[in-house]
Amino acid sequence: DTEVTQTPKHLVMGMTNKKSLKCEQHMGHRAMYWYKQKAKKPPELMFVYSYEKLSINESVPSRFSPECPNSSLLNLHLHALQPEDSALYLCASSQDSGGDEKLFFGSGTQLSVL
Amino acid sequence: GEDVEQSLFLSVREGDSSVINCTYTDSSSTYLYWYKQEPGAGLQLLTYIFSNMDMKQDQRLTVLLNKNDKHLSLRIADTQTGDSAIYFCAESIASNTGKLIFGQGTTLQVKP
Repeated sequence: DTEVTQTPKHLVMGMTNKKSLKCEQHMGHRAMYWYKQKAKKPPELMFVYSYEKLSINESVPSRFSPECPNSSLLNLHLHALQPEDSALYLCASSQDSGGDEKLFFGSGTQLSVL
Repeated sequence: GEDVEQSLFLSVREGDSSVINCTYTDSSSTYLYWYKQEPGAGLQLLTYIFSNMDMKQDQRLTVLLNKNDKHLSLRIADTQTGDSAIYFCAESIASNTGKLIFGQGTTLQVKP
C-alpha cells in the first residue's frame, strides 16, 4: 500500500463553520505534512509532524489547527476561515523527516470558503 | 535564502523528447526531486537524484545534475499525451527538517 488517502475530496464551507480534513497512510511513515496549494502555484508547506510531534509550523494562522492522533492519521481542523484560504490542501508522508524526504502525496481536498 | 526556478511552459509534439530545466540555490541540498501533477490530482514523485550523482536514468526519464551550475534537468524520451502535466522540481534543504523547496512548476503540453 503506497497510498496517502485524503477525505473529503471537495469541501465547501462558510466563514463561520468548523470542519476537519483527514489524511491516512499505512506505509509505516513517521513524518506527515500539510501543504496548501493555490491554482497554478507550487505547494506551500504548512505543518510537519515527526513521530507524532509537531516539528514545523510555517507561521500558519491559528484558524488552522493540525492534529496527529497516531502515526497513521493526520487531521487539519478548520475554523473561521477566510475566502482567501480557498485552495487545494495536500497531505503527504515520508519515511522520516531527516535528509531523504521522498514525499508521497494524497490527491488533496479542494476547499472553497464562501 | 533557498530558491528554485523553472521555466513556466513547454510545448512538444508527441514522440519528441522533452527537457524541463530547473536551477536551485542551496548548494548543501542532499536530494533533488521531480514531481508530476496532473489536473485535479496530488503530486506524484517521478524520480530523484542524490547530490553526489550527475545522472540517473529510469526508463523514459533521465535526470541530469550539474552541481557546479546548480542546474537540474528532466528529460522525457518519446513524450506521450499522458505526460501532459505540471512538473515541479524540489530540493531538500540541509537542516533535516523534512522541508522541500519547490520550483514554480513547468506546464508540459504534448500535442498529438
